[in-house]
Amino acid sequence: NAGVTQTPKFQVLKTGQSMTLQCAQDMNHNSMYWYRQDPGMGLRLIYYSASEGTTDKGEVPNGYNVSRLNKREFSLRLESAAPSQTSVYFCASSERLFGNYGYTFGSGTRLTVV
Amino acid sequence: AQSVSQHNHHVILSEAASLELGCNYSYGGTVNLFWYVQYPGQHLQLLLKYFSGDPLVKGIKGFEAEFIKSKFSFNLRKPSVQWSDTAEYFCAAGGSSNTGKLIFGQGTTLQVKP
Repeated sequence: NAGVTQTPKFQVLKTGQSMTLQCAQDMNHNSMYWYRQDPGMGLRLIYYSASEGTTDKGEVPNGYNVSRLNKREFSLRLESAAPSQTSVYFCASSERLFGNYGYTFGSGTRLTVV
Repeated sequence: AQSVSQHNHHVILSEAASLELGCNYSYGGTVNLFWYVQYPGQHLQLLLKYFSGDPLVKGIKGFEAEFIKSKFSFNLRKPSVQWSDTAEYFCAAGGSSNTGKLIFGQGTTLQVKP
């Protein structure tokens, strides 16, 4: 099925460990995004990529890095995980940057940092 | 500052009751408005969207929303909810240009009792 695929779906990390969340889309979208979802706070933008080769900070970029590997893939890396990064992470894509058409979301990664 | 505010954080209804979820936005310039739904354990899906024209927008599964420009509101309605409507609902606002980031509200959890 066409869409946005995220891996892994669940992950438990110890404080200080690193990991990379993977995201791939097969809709030939130009723009991709990483959000975190926390109770009572909705979705907050971590990083985004307008197009292949470009990345920019969103609202809450501290503690994260991203790579737009190619047009399909946009990964999110936690270099040294902290309990405050316990959250559900969503990757999304859109045809154009912040485009009129809305976003297509992945299924999410539930990350727990202990 | 750009913001989206959803009035109700948690709504509990019985089946067949009518639903109205409030959403107010603050966004400079021409705004596009969206409602997304997240069923338990699933990713966000687009429910409906407003770009221009008729302020009453009809979406999937019998949902509709009304854009009231003077009130900066985009409330979601459904005449008769079903148990399967149990989900979290997010209102979002975005600009019509490529610089207009999509801003999400805090989300409203709807629980429908059979």
